[in-house]
Amino acid sequence: GEDVEQSLFLSVREGDSSVINCTYTDSSSTYLYWYKQEPGAGLQLLTYIFSNMDMKQDQRLTVLLNKKDKHLSLRIADTQTGDSAIYFCAERMATDSWGKLQFGAGTQVVVTP
Amino acid sequence: SAVISQKPSRDICQRGTSLTIQCQVDSQVTMMFWYRQQPGQSLTLIATANQGSEATYESGFVIDKFPISRPNLTFSTLTVSNLSPEDSSIYLCSHLGGENTEAFFGQGTRLTVV
Repeated sequence: GEDVEQSLFLSVREGDSSVINCTYTDSSSTYLYWYKQEPGAGLQLLTYIFSNMDMKQDQRLTVLLNKKDKHLSLRIADTQTGDSAIYFCAERMATDSWGKLQFGAGTQVVVTP
Repeated sequence: SAVISQKPSRDICQRGTSLTIQCQVDSQVTMMFWYRQQPGQSLTLIATANQGSEATYESGFVIDKFPISRPNLTFSTLTVSNLSPEDSSIYLCSHLGGENTEAFFGQGTRLTVV
């Protein structure tokens, strides 16, 4: 099975906040990433957080990291229809110096008017 | 961050043939990575490509099926050989930027094998 787990689906109303959750298993992970994939497109890096941080904010995006529980979340404020996409979290392990990532299965976010 | 250009963006291939995917980065990068995304699935790392040495493959992926070239610090190719319908996937290349903290991806190659 996968080492990174995400819920598969999230429905949210336009204007509300979205929260996408992710759990990972490697406590030595150095960086954790959030990517967005729109239909037929590649992966867009949204944001990332270093493991010695517990929060990072970037405009409408807020990342929270709970290392004790190995839990990562992405909050999107004022969700818009253009935010409809699949969101992947990924971890980069400390044991890997090359930068390969372990991905979750992705969360399909659907924004309704 | 270096910009990654990947081509072709999509292709339809006959079974038994091969497809070579090219990945061009607009600045020199040490490591490049090739991932596969099967329909409705997440991304799985195929191999890591370092310039001047043989690629390092992940469990379940072999060089004969997925030969990789890395002739210089800005370019890499992935060939998917002896195609079967099970190879229908999106293939993505990636590299590290931003002082090796940010992992960037190309736009992907959508392969359909018929």
